[in-house]
Amino acid sequence: DGGITQSPKYLFRKEGQNVTLSCEQNLNHDAMYWYRQDPGQGLRLIYYSQIVNDFQKGDIAEGYSVSREKKESFPLTVTSAQKNPTAFYLCASSAGGLDYNEQFFGPGTRLTVL
Amino acid sequence: GQNIDQPTEMTATEGAIVQINCTYQTSGFNGLFWYQQHAGEAPTFLSYNVLDGLEEKGRFSSFLSRSKGYSYLLLKELQMKDSASYLCAIMDSNYQLIWGAGTKLIIKP
Repeated sequence: DGGITQSPKYLFRKEGQNVTLSCEQNLNHDAMYWYRQDPGQGLRLIYYSQIVNDFQKGDIAEGYSVSREKKESFPLTVTSAQKNPTAFYLCASSAGGLDYNEQFFGPGTRLTVL
Repeated sequence: GQNIDQPTEMTATEGAIVQINCTYQTSGFNGLFWYQQHAGEAPTFLSYNVLDGLEEKGRFSSFLSRSKGYSYLLLKELQMKDSASYLCAIMDSNYQLIWGAGTKLIIKP
């Protein structure tokens, strides 16, 4: 079955530590996205990538980094520079291109920084 | 600026009909999406509108008026499993999705 996987489901880290969230898709999608979701707010775009080896900052990229070395994978690193990292992180993918394209979401990772 | 407004929370009765509204002001418009999100889970796609009018898909329908910057999601024959948040999102001029905060729908027996 095609889909998007994120791991782990829950993640706890101490303040000051970097942490990397995994996102893998086997939908053969060109575009991949990372969102952050906080209570009472809409999804906010952190980074997106429309093609391998290229990515763009979203609205709230500060304190985060990404890589896109393979089409299937788009890991997100939450660095110690991110002031308030505790949140629900969602990865998504789409076929990409300048056309209608539905985004498919992974199950999410809930990060808690202690 | 870009702005998408949805009611924060709505309550409805099992078997009834509910309409969830979404108004928007965005830089460009390339379509409007509705997603359903159960608590702690990923959003799942419900509907897409790019032209004015009503799109019907089973118990769910979505309406768009581009001139009014307005959409609604209509849910019929409500079931307990419809208790979830409903997210409105606009595809802007850069083909990026701008998301509303979502409407939490509570279904009562």
